[in-house]
Amino acid sequence: EPEVTQTPSHQVTQMGQEVILRCVPISNHLYFYWYRQILGQKVEFLVSFYNNEISEKSEIFDDQFSVERPDGSNFTLKIRSTKLEDSAMYFCASSEIPSSYNEQFFGPGTRLTVL
Amino acid sequence: AQKVTQAQTEISVVEKEDVTLDCVYETRDTTYYLFWYKQPPSGELVFLIRRNSFDEQNEISGRYSWNFQKSTSSFNFTITASQVVDSAVYFCALGLGAGGYNKLIFGAGTRLAVHP
Repeated sequence: EPEVTQTPSHQVTQMGQEVILRCVPISNHLYFYWYRQILGQKVEFLVSFYNNEISEKSEIFDDQFSVERPDGSNFTLKIRSTKLEDSAMYFCASSEIPSSYNEQFFGPGTRLTVL
Repeated sequence: AQKVTQAQTEISVVEKEDVTLDCVYETRDTTYYLFWYKQPPSGELVFLIRRNSFDEQNEISGRYSWNFQKSTSSFNFTITASQVVDSAVYFCALGLGAGGYNKLIFGAGTRLAVHP
């Protein structure tokens, strides 16, 4: 069964460093998403992406964040200068269009630790 | 406002007990979708069920059942004869719009602990 994959599974970085989290969505999916879950808290929407541009972004997704689909398979989330509060699990998701059920398939997540 | 409320932060039961996880949502959209996800200790999000706003039929899948009531804006999840492997955090989520590009709004989650 096709699945969303994410790399790395765990990333540790120093405050102020740039990180790139990578995702490979399901191959025929056209909509892509990033969500964040701070430890012990709820999953929060960051950004949705379609047709090579951002469809919607949350207040969390400020100028320090960017997304890109550099090729036909990868979807990346970049944090330019990480802060301690960026430590969280980051989930990538993708969905197919047309989709009458708006189902998003989630990857296993990347745990980001900022020291 | 669009919001999902899971009032139960933690539930603890003994194996074989039935347990119901509550979910109340708010939206002004007429077309929306409701989901339940399970997050086991390993951290991934496991899709359990989706429902669209036009389908109020309840659903049963093995030990799992879901009760969708538009009149009370609730989408509750019941596990019958709970097992230790059901221990996880369960998230209810609201998806908006008819297209495939809309965000999911998650509730705060309910941590279920099933003890032997």
